[in-house]
Order: sequence, then structure tokens, then C-alpha cells
Amino acid sequence: SQKIEQNSEALNIQEGKTATLTCNYTNYSPAYLQWYRQDPGRGPVFLLLIRENEKEKRKERLKVTFDTTLKQSLFHITASQPADSATYLCALDGWDSSYKLIFGSGTRLLVRP
Amino acid sequence: NAGVMQNPRHLVRRRGQEARLRCSPMKGHSHVYWYRQLPEEGLKFMVYLQKENIIDESGMPKERFSAEFPKEGPSILRIQQVVRGDSAAYFCASSPEGSGTEAFFGQGTRLTVV
Repeated sequence: SQKIEQNSEALNIQEGKTATLTCNYTNYSPAYLQWYRQDPGRGPVFLLLIRENEKEKRKERLKVTFDTTLKQSLFHITASQPADSATYLCALDGWDSSYKLIFGSGTRLLVRP
Repeated sequence: NAGVMQNPRHLVRRRGQEARLRCSPMKGHSHVYWYRQLPEEGLKFMVYLQKENIIDESGMPKERFSAEFPKEGPSILRIQQVVRGDSAAYFCASSPEGSGTEAFFGQGTRLTVV
């Protein structure tokens, strides 16, 4: 069955460094992939969407790559700041429909000042 | 343009009571989705609705759960005869189109069943 994996261990980095989060998926070829940010007690906030025919997408300090051969997406935050500390969720369109999102369990990022 | 509005933010119900969760999508959005997030787990799709229509309810438990999105007013997720296992955060999202676009989430309703 379709499976999405994100590193369950928190990523702890120093302010100013680049944070790299990984999203792996199996048994499926999604048409698009999205990244969201979620703060404690809040709803997810959309960050970036990348389609299967796109290799890379950027938005300010954020960069997403999408490798359909490796079945992997990498999410980078350059020049990280303590305010970037949050949980980051990867989401794919459902295998049986394009409108439902299948979420990974998220990776918590901690940026130390 | 107000975002997706959910209420109440917190809801406490005793076992056997009914829970009604409301969601007003962003202005101009006619596609509404409900997701459930259990502690330490990812968001799970429950149901997808358009005005007056349930498009996909494959993620909803067959019993006790129902959803609607009437022509006028908010979308409602109703849970009848709640049990402790229903305790979770319920998020509503809306989008201008049905697929391939970002989803805008509300702040969620945290349901606690005691």
C-alpha cells in the first residue's frame, strides 16, 4: 500500500545553517507533492507545491526537490532562524484521487540561536 | 479575506454525547476537506465535500460520523455517541479547486472525550 516516511527524530541545527528534511514514499507515483509547516496547537500552513514534472522549486529561503526515480523529496531551509522551528509535513496526492492529501507524520525542526 | 474558520477551538464531551464541529471555508472556496490528527500521528483524510454534495467519504468511519456542506452556512462534521477514541484534533481545509492546489487549513477543533 502507499506509504510516506519522514524522519521521526527531531532535527536540531544551529541558526544560520541549512536544514534538510527528507520525505520518502513507496508503491506510488504522485502527481504532486506539498510541504506544510505546523506549529503546536495550530493548523498546517502551506509552504510549497511541486509537480512530478518539476525537479526543483524555490521560494525565498525554501527549496524543494522532487526525485521521482528515488521516490524522494528534499526540503531545504537556508540561513535557518529560530522562528523556523516547527514540524514540517510532507503530503502527496492520494493514489486513488488527486484531491485528497496523504500526509507523512512530520519531522520536528529545532533551530538553536 | 478571513482564513478558514473553525469552531469551537476546544470541545469537551462525555462518552455517548454528540459533537458538532463547524467549518467556514475561505471566501470563494467551494471545496472542503476534513482531516483528523491523533496524538503523535499524521493527518488522516476523512471526507471531501462540495456545496450540498459529499464527493468522497472513504476516510470516515462507517458509523457515528457524518458530514455536510449545505448551500448556506458552514460545513458540519458530526460525531454521534462519542467514545474516548474519538479524542483528536479535527482540521478543516478548503481550496479553490479540487486538486493540484494548496489547501488552506483552519486552526482545528480539539475534541476531548471524557
